[in-house]
Amino acid sequence: DGGITQSPKYLFRKEGQNVTLSCEQNLNHDAMYWYRQDPGQGLRLIYYSQIVNDFQKGDIAEGYSVSREKKESFPLTVTSAQKNPTAFYLCASSIAPFSGTNTGELFFGEGSRLTVL
Amino acid sequence: GESVGLHLPTLSVQEGDNSIINCAYSNSASDYFIWYKQESGKGPQFIIDIRSNMDKRQGQRVTVLLNKTVKHLSLQIAATQPGDSAVYFCAGPLTGGGNKLTFGTGTQLKVEL
Repeated sequence: DGGITQSPKYLFRKEGQNVTLSCEQNLNHDAMYWYRQDPGQGLRLIYYSQIVNDFQKGDIAEGYSVSREKKESFPLTVTSAQKNPTAFYLCASSIAPFSGTNTGELFFGEGSRLTVL
Repeated sequence: GESVGLHLPTLSVQEGDNSIINCAYSNSASDYFIWYKQESGKGPQFIIDIRSNMDKRQGQRVTVLLNKTVKHLSLQIAATQPGDSAVYFCAGPLTGGGNKLTFGTGTQLKVEL
């Protein structure tokens, strides 16, 4: 089945460690996104990529890094510079920017919950 | 700044009743809006979308209404079921942001048996 796969589902990290969250999609989508969700809050955009080898910062990029070497993959690294990394991380993808034939629907993975001990 | 998804935090309804979840936005230039449903511990799922040139769109048991005059949209769920319990978000594009969607805090829908 086509979809977005995030791993791991749960991750624990000690302070000062970098961790990388995996996101893979087999939907042949050009664009991919990382959002962060805190309890009782909406989704905030960390980074997004509209094409391979290119990505842009979202609203809360500080302390995070990404790469987009392959169309299918968009890993997110949470670095030690991120002051409050405990959160639920969501990866998403979309076909293309909004056009007359499609809206900007995002397809989400099941999320990765990161806890810093 | 721009905002989409100013929700009431919770809504409780009786099973079988209709639910109405409201959302306000600030950017009058938004081309479309999308409603998502998020169950506990899972990623959001697409429910329905509406383009800015429409006032109403219907899906299976759901209807979205868009009032551009007051910058308000609503999601109506008919005959609410226990499986509808979730957090509902409306989302819309940022100006010049392509597919960059902005989300609000969402409304927690609780279905009482």
